[in-house]
Amino acid sequence: KAGVTQTPRYLIKTRGQQVTLSCSPISGHRSVSWYQQTPGQGLQFLFEYFSETQRNKGNFPGRFSGRQFSNSRSEMNVSTLELGDSALYLCASSLYGRSLSGANVLTFGAGSRLTVL
Amino acid sequence: AQTVTQSQPEMSVQEAETVTLSCTYDTSESDYYLFWYKQPPSRQMILVIRQEAYKQQNATENRFSVNFQKAAKSFSLKISDSQLGDAAMYFCAYRSAGDTSGSRLTFGEGTQLTVNP
Repeated sequence: KAGVTQTPRYLIKTRGQQVTLSCSPISGHRSVSWYQQTPGQGLQFLFEYFSETQRNKGNFPGRFSGRQFSNSRSEMNVSTLELGDSALYLCASSLYGRSLSGANVLTFGAGSRLTVL
Repeated sequence: AQTVTQSQPEMSVQEAETVTLSCTYDTSESDYYLFWYKQPPSRQMILVIRQEAYKQQNATENRFSVNFQKAAKSFSLKISDSQLGDAAMYFCAYRSAGDTSGSRLTFGEGTQLTVNP
């Protein structure tokens, strides 16, 4: 079955612009999480959505937002882009939103590489 | 808050030999999950192996095995019979088993593994 699909794979923006990234989870997966990966900060959790509700949020400013649709697809938006927002943004999906079982394993997409000039 | 530390930024191994990657974590929780993910140059994070904290038996997946020392809060990954395809960045990750944690992972800094032919 198809994996986690992230679009676009690469994009270049300028400071002050906004960007929207999309994530289509594995069919049947209802939880979608977003992570930011940078050389300096490593992998940091942004937020998680389950059944269209944000369940958890990492320590990021309000410029970072997201949403989940009824078909479990998710989007994240970054407004007023800064140079430091240049990163690989990874999306991951899982069956459950709760850590009920080790079987609740995250499957990651290939990421969206954002460059802010 | 939980933290995950990987003290080896880089490791190298000869093809067909064995290598061990180290990971330590800090938590006050008694129930949690630990994971090793690999990230090849293609950027997609791939689950290598997982361990439930309540299980004393170390997890094994083919050539990959872990040494889980709960009291020492240590979770090392052993790769046997290393192959060229094992070359990647390896991340150790922690996930709480609590109901409010959802699917949130805390990652270590990563260890870049090079496999020499």
